[in-house]
Amino acid sequence: AQKITQTQPGMFVQEKEAVTLDCTYDTSDPSYGLFWYKQPSSGEMIFLIYQGSYDQQNATEGRYSLNFQKARKSANLVISASQLGDSAMYFCAMRGPRYNFNKFYFGSGTKLNVKP
Amino acid sequence: SQTIHQWPATLVQPVGSPLSLECTVEGTSNPNLYWYRQAAGRGLQLLFYSVGIGQISSEVPQNLSASRPQDRQFILSSKKLLLSDSGFYLCASDRGQETQYFGPGTRLLVL
Repeated sequence: AQKITQTQPGMFVQEKEAVTLDCTYDTSDPSYGLFWYKQPSSGEMIFLIYQGSYDQQNATEGRYSLNFQKARKSANLVISASQLGDSAMYFCAMRGPRYNFNKFYFGSGTKLNVKP
Repeated sequence: SQTIHQWPATLVQPVGSPLSLECTVEGTSNPNLYWYRQAAGRGLQLLFYSVGIGQISSEVPQNLSASRPQDRQFILSSKKLLLSDSGFYLCASDRGQETQYFGPGTRLLVL
């Protein structure tokens, strides 16, 4: 069965420093997609970054990068130069296998607090 | 890019009352549509998804139901709300392998 694990319920980071949010996943299918979303206090889920299981390079989107280690089944999100507006909940998610790709599996989330 | 609308934004309902939450999508056609529920401080629980008009798959047995009367319209309903139905309801849309895009959500409080 597919599963996403985020082991950090909450984290603090100093403004302008980098922070890594952990995510591990479990799947037996070689084809899958990994996603990170940001959820500010308003509640809306904002897509940040995507990594495909066959992608050779780690995904990057501005200050966001995904440290993809396939053998370890980890997909950590790295936020460089943290800003106060980065304070939010962050969710790691995985799209289901090819035979059930309509399913998204979400982790329990990590609450990030950026300190001035 | 697609835009997802949800209404109402906030709803307070008594136990035993009916429910109807609506989600509409703009900027795409033939999307897959999803309803999620999020309890306070928790992750997202997939409730229903639909790959086309009239096609609904239920993930969790409960007193909720979903319908898709039009290609870009997805409705979440209940005949009688329970206290445990309180939460934040998110509608999402995608086109297969792409990322899911989410609406602004509806906060439901059942008293």
